[in-house]
Amino acid sequence: NAGVTQTPKFQVLKTGQSMTLQCAQDMNHEYMSWYRQDPGMGLRLIHYSVGAGITDQGEVPNGYNVSRSTTEDFPLRLLSAAPSQTSVYFCASTDRDREDGYTFGSGTRLTVV
Amino acid sequence: GESVGLHLPTLSVQEGDNSIINCAYSNSASDYFIWYKQESGKGPQFIIDIRSNMDKRQGQRVTVLLNKTVKHLSLQIAATQPGDSAVYFCAENSQGYKLSFGAGTTVTVRA
Repeated sequence: NAGVTQTPKFQVLKTGQSMTLQCAQDMNHEYMSWYRQDPGMGLRLIHYSVGAGITDQGEVPNGYNVSRSTTEDFPLRLLSAAPSQTSVYFCASTDRDREDGYTFGSGTRLTVV
Repeated sequence: GESVGLHLPTLSVQEGDNSIINCAYSNSASDYFIWYKQESGKGPQFIIDIRSNMDKRQGQRVTVLLNKTVKHLSLQIAATQPGDSAVYFCAENSQGYKLSFGAGTTVTVRA
């Protein structure tokens, strides 16, 4: 089924470790973005991309890096994990006309100990 | 900064009744609004959207109303069912393709 695929679904990291959260979409969407969701809160934008080779910062970008080498993939890198980065991470994509909103992946639940 | 917020964090509804979930936004430049449903352990699921040039839009059992004068958005769910129990978020789209979310309203349907 077409959609947004996120891997892994769960991850536990030690403080200081690095890792990459993967996001892939097969809908040929130009726009992709990463959000984090903390308990009892809405989603907050980390980084977004309006096309291959173009990325920009969102509301909470510190501690995260992104790149967009292809239309399909938009990985999120944690450079040196901190307990404050414990959260659920969602990737989303949409087309140029934002038809039917943004499609979200099922999320990656990250715990940093 | 400007943000989107929901009026009530929780809403309890009798099965079969209509539900109304409210949302206030503050960015007058927002041109696109979306309602999402999120069930436990899942990602946000698109319900319905509305653009700023519209006042009302209807879907299957759902209606979104937009009042730009008072910067208010609402989601109406007709004949609420147990499967409607979830957290509902409104989101506004401004500054290109950035989405800003409210904190969410937890809807509980009573049998």
